[in-house]
Amino acid sequence: NAGVTQTPKFQVLKTGQSMTLQCAQDMNHEYMSWYRQDPGMGLRLIHYSVGAGITDQGEVPNGYNVSRSTTEDFPLRLLSAAPSQTSVYFCASSYDRFRETQYFGPGTRLLVL
Amino acid sequence: DQQVKQNSPSLSVQEGRISILNCDYTNSMFDYFLWYKKYPAEGPTFLISISSIKDKNEDGRFTVFLNKSAKHLSLHIVPSQPGDSAVYFCAASAEASGGSNYKLTFGKGTLLTVNP
Repeated sequence: NAGVTQTPKFQVLKTGQSMTLQCAQDMNHEYMSWYRQDPGMGLRLIHYSVGAGITDQGEVPNGYNVSRSTTEDFPLRLLSAAPSQTSVYFCASSYDRFRETQYFGPGTRLLVL
Repeated sequence: DQQVKQNSPSLSVQEGRISILNCDYTNSMFDYFLWYKKYPAEGPTFLISISSIKDKNEDGRFTVFLNKSAKHLSLHIVPSQPGDSAVYFCAASAEASGGSNYKLTFGKGTLLTVNP
């Protein structure tokens, strides 16, 4: 079991460029989420999914798109990167919506110049 | 408006002593609380949780206390070990109103340093 994997580990983008942060889990979890962590801000929920084909917005969704075509994958897309999106991004998954912990990936560090 | 607050950015304790990390919340709909631990360059890992129907939950060296009237919870680590040095995040969800473990609200975190 690889758990939750994220690629790339680190990425530098120029303002206006687009990219996709990959997230995959091999635990057959229905629930997946994307968070960003900024200094002094804790983790903030960007988007989440309760199953294949179903996604919804979290606390800070602007500038990000997601899709969930399979149970395993939950990519996060930045259509036009901005310096304010410089952050560390964490993907998480869980089997059950209640009383079950989330498992986090190792994170993707993104720098937008 | 920050709904989950960890007012101490850092805490330093001696090995073998008790570490107490505090967390306050403002949203009275929160009914499930978790603590996550995070080492540098790694994702957060779940530590311990507590439901609002309880006021205490223990797991080995870790105990979480919940005071609903004060909207306050704390994590006690006894005895503290150098390997406990990490950032600790308090998180909350409002399950009764549609929230869940995948829609957590996190505090800013407290960096715990346990000195040998």
